[in-house]
Amino acid sequence: EDKVVQSPLSLVVHEGDTVTLNCSYEVTNFRSLLWYKQEKKAPTFLFMLTSSGIEKKSGRLSSILDKKELFSILNITATQTGDSAIYLCAASGGSNYKLTFGKGTLLTVNP
Amino acid sequence: DGGITQSPKYLFRKEGQNVTLSCEQNLNHDAMYWYRQDPGQGLRLIYYSQIVNDFQKGDIAEGYSVSREKKESFPLTVTSAQKNPTAFYLCASSSPKGSNEKLFFGSGTQLSVL
Repeated sequence: EDKVVQSPLSLVVHEGDTVTLNCSYEVTNFRSLLWYKQEKKAPTFLFMLTSSGIEKKSGRLSSILDKKELFSILNITATQTGDSAIYLCAASGGSNYKLTFGKGTLLTVNP
Repeated sequence: DGGITQSPKYLFRKEGQNVTLSCEQNLNHDAMYWYRQDPGQGLRLIYYSQIVNDFQKGDIAEGYSVSREKKESFPLTVTSAQKNPTAFYLCASSSPKGSNEKLFFGSGTQLSVL
């Protein structure tokens, strides 16, 4: 059975801190690893990673994939209160590249 | 503006009642999906459709039904057979051009049982 595990499940930090969110996966016929941010209702796409060792960046957010060790990390530097959200990790695989989601990490950034 | 519209935002179901959640997209995407999200849980796939008039069961299809008569629309019916329907339901779509895994989500429907 395909599985995606995120850690920690929740995290509280102060503005300006740097955080690292973890995602490990076991997915047959793995194709890609995706990160989404869910602030209120609709998850919004952050990154899709398909190649090992290549960092993707968007402003203060960055992510990297390790296909040998089967994990990915999402880094957020200089956190702001607007970064408070649930961060979802998903891995695609299987015969039809179905997405398997982790439980998410609830990040709270206090002023 | 292109996007996915889910309605209603909140829905209450009485015991024994079927209810239908609406999902409409104007992104011209071929594939559409329904996910269920419970507190502290990840998204679990209920049904998906990759083309009009065709759909497949996901991981937790029991107690749910769908139809895909139009490309833009993918309604989900929560039947009385679903014994624990209280959850947040998310509809999503994707395009096979480029990456099929990059999903665009609606704003969700919170379903509660009276």
